[in-house]
Amino acid sequence: EVQLVESGGGLVQPGGSLKLSCAASGFTFSGSAMHWVRQASGKGLEWVGRIRSKANSYATAYAASVKGRFTISRDDSKNTAYLQMNSLKTEDTAVYYCTSPPTGRWGQGTLVTVSS
Amino acid sequence: DIVMTQSPDSLAVSLGERATINCKSSQSVLYSSNNKNYLAWYQQKPGQPPKLLIYWASTRESGVPDRFSGSGSGTDFTLTISSLQAEDVAVYYCQQYYSTMYSFGQGTKLEIK
Repeated sequence: EVQLVESGGGLVQPGGSLKLSCAASGFTFSGSAMHWVRQASGKGLEWVGRIRSKANSYATAYAASVKGRFTISRDDSKNTAYLQMNSLKTEDTAVYYCTSPPTGRWGQGTLVTVSS
Repeated sequence: DIVMTQSPDSLAVSLGERATINCKSSQSVLYSSNNKNYLAWYQQKPGQPPKLLIYWASTRESGVPDRFSGSGSGTDFTLTISSLQAEDVAVYYCQQYYSTMYSFGQGTKLEIK
């Protein structure tokens, strides 16, 4: 069974940092690009960024709204992708999903709340 | 960046009737070398992650009822639900995966009339 499980969300103050994890199972993680998508409460889906596979040099790309503050990485030996979020702003408050588009692989999401 | 624009923002359709949602991309998402449109459709219900319905613009994901269909090419795409069921109430999103940044449409909220 394919599974993506996010963890690491929580409450953080503006300007703070948080690292999310996405543990994968049931498919060939090492060969898959992994993406992060977020959704603020009552709002639409926003693509955050992605990391490609080793065969594609672990290339990363980010949305303009997070570039320079967020970093995506992966550990293929642990079948896990990460989202390091620095200099967090209140507008980063959202449920963060990991996914492997355009497949049906999505996690259940983890809530990040940035508030003082 | 490719901007995805859906219409309408919300839609109310009677049970058993047809529902049509449109998605327009700011540039073509048709890759000429393989003649594939890099366009997916998702359904999202409250409290759940998105569920993939359609990829390559018209290929139905395994297990998705055949009342859901996707069409279009280049910059203009349509998701059609041929006979609306109560369980189809949800928000629907299109997403392009042609460019580096996989952008989404703003979503279309589908309700029962």
